[in-house]
Amino acid sequence: AQSVAQPEDQVNVAEGNPLTVKCTYSVSGNPYLFWYVQYPNRGLQFLLKYITGDNLVKGSYGFEAEFNKSQTSFHLKKPSALVSDSALYFCAVSLRNNRLAFGKGNQVVVIP
Amino acid sequence: DTGVSQDPRHKITKRGQNVTFRCDPISEHNRLYWYRQTLGQGPEFLTYFQNEAQLEKSRLLSDRFSAERPKGSFSTLEIQRTEQGDSAMYLCASSLGAGGLAGAYEQYFGPGTRLTVT
Repeated sequence: AQSVAQPEDQVNVAEGNPLTVKCTYSVSGNPYLFWYVQYPNRGLQFLLKYITGDNLVKGSYGFEAEFNKSQTSFHLKKPSALVSDSALYFCAVSLRNNRLAFGKGNQVVVIP
Repeated sequence: DTGVSQDPRHKITKRGQNVTFRCDPISEHNRLYWYRQTLGQGPEFLTYFQNEAQLEKSRLLSDRFSAERPKGSFSTLEIQRTEQGDSAMYLCASSLGAGGLAGAYEQYFGPGTRLTVT
């Protein structure tokens, strides 16, 4: 089945340290990949996407993600984490007709 | 605020009752999606519309669920004879796009309607 996997349940990182949230995908053809963030009691917010071209894509709030076709990965990164980055992060792949298939999500906890 | 809005934000109902949720998408978006999210899981696709046409329904969408998008603007999701297993967050999203490149457009999500069936 075409899908994404987020192998870690929770990512803990100290404020100021680099943050990485992992995502691997399993789709046929060229994938359209997305990252969303969900804060408590709020809807999902779009962070960034990979469609084609440069493997390093930059998004909102200082986040970036690297598409790696050989490793079928699309890890989300931020050079210096903030306490306000603590949230639930979802990786998603766009299937036919633009329906999104989401991973189970990663809770990110940034420790002051 | 010109984002996606959903109403109500919370709904508590008794098993067997019918409920209806509303979603108002971003005005220029022709595609509208419904997802369901349970605790500890990512959103799961339910159905989507392009303009007023409902183009796909997930097998998760039982016969008790129906969605409409009259005139291609707002959408409603109705659940008949609710069951406790229907308790979840129901998310609406909208996007631009049509044809082969529709998947390249990001979807914008509303705040969701949290349904609790007692």
